[in-house]
Amino acid sequence: ETVLTQSPATLSVSPGERVTLSCRASQSVSSYLAWYQQRPGQAPRLLISDASTRATGIPPRFSGSGSGTEFTLTISGLQSEDFGVYYCQQYKNWPPYTFGQGTKLEIK
Amino acid sequence: EVELVESGGGLVQPGGSLRLSCAASGFIFSSDWMTWVRQAPGKGLEWVAHIKPDGSGANYLDSVKGRFTISRDNAKNSLFLQMNSMRVEDSAVYYCAKEACYGSGSCFHSWGQGTLVTVSS
Repeated sequence: ETVLTQSPATLSVSPGERVTLSCRASQSVSSYLAWYQQRPGQAPRLLISDASTRATGIPPRFSGSGSGTEFTLTISGLQSEDFGVYYCQQYKNWPPYTFGQGTKLEIK
Repeated sequence: EVELVESGGGLVQPGGSLRLSCAASGFIFSSDWMTWVRQAPGKGLEWVAHIKPDGSGANYLDSVKGRFTISRDNAKNSLFLQMNSMRVEDSAVYYCAKEACYGSGSCFHSWGQGTLVTVSS
């Protein structure tokens, strides 16, 4: 099973700042990595697929990069609606599909 | 617009059974892999099972193999999860999701709002 480790666990930031979230895979997943946002009380929402492709309707302040075992999600110019928990998910080595444990983005 | 609506959650005793349903609309249901993902209270996301578009094959998380069965009715645009021999650790919000990406595998493009399952005596 491919384990995904996200860091940091929690990030406290102010609106307008730029943040970078990390996701590390225990073995190569090539570029088969997705990022999701989950706001409190809501279902997850797909942000990025194939490591760097924004999903339909996702604003350009969200960008993804990486391949192999190291990936990042960058959010430029944080807005209030961006706070929540972010998960990475790999779809190279399955079953099972696996998720990271999440990074919680909090308002400072 | 894709819409997924789960139902069937509730309180069940350990060892009991529950059947979840997911009603799909807004896309050609019979063309897509479908998945169940769960989230224990205050925890992260965990993929549970998925099923081929024609229902001819499925894969499961090891901890639910032999206890859970995923199925679908393409004529009724519906996805199901039959959960038997349930354990306390199966307690979670269960989401159905439409798969996409379809590279080596799938990401989860659209999600329902979830249905809460609680296993407790």
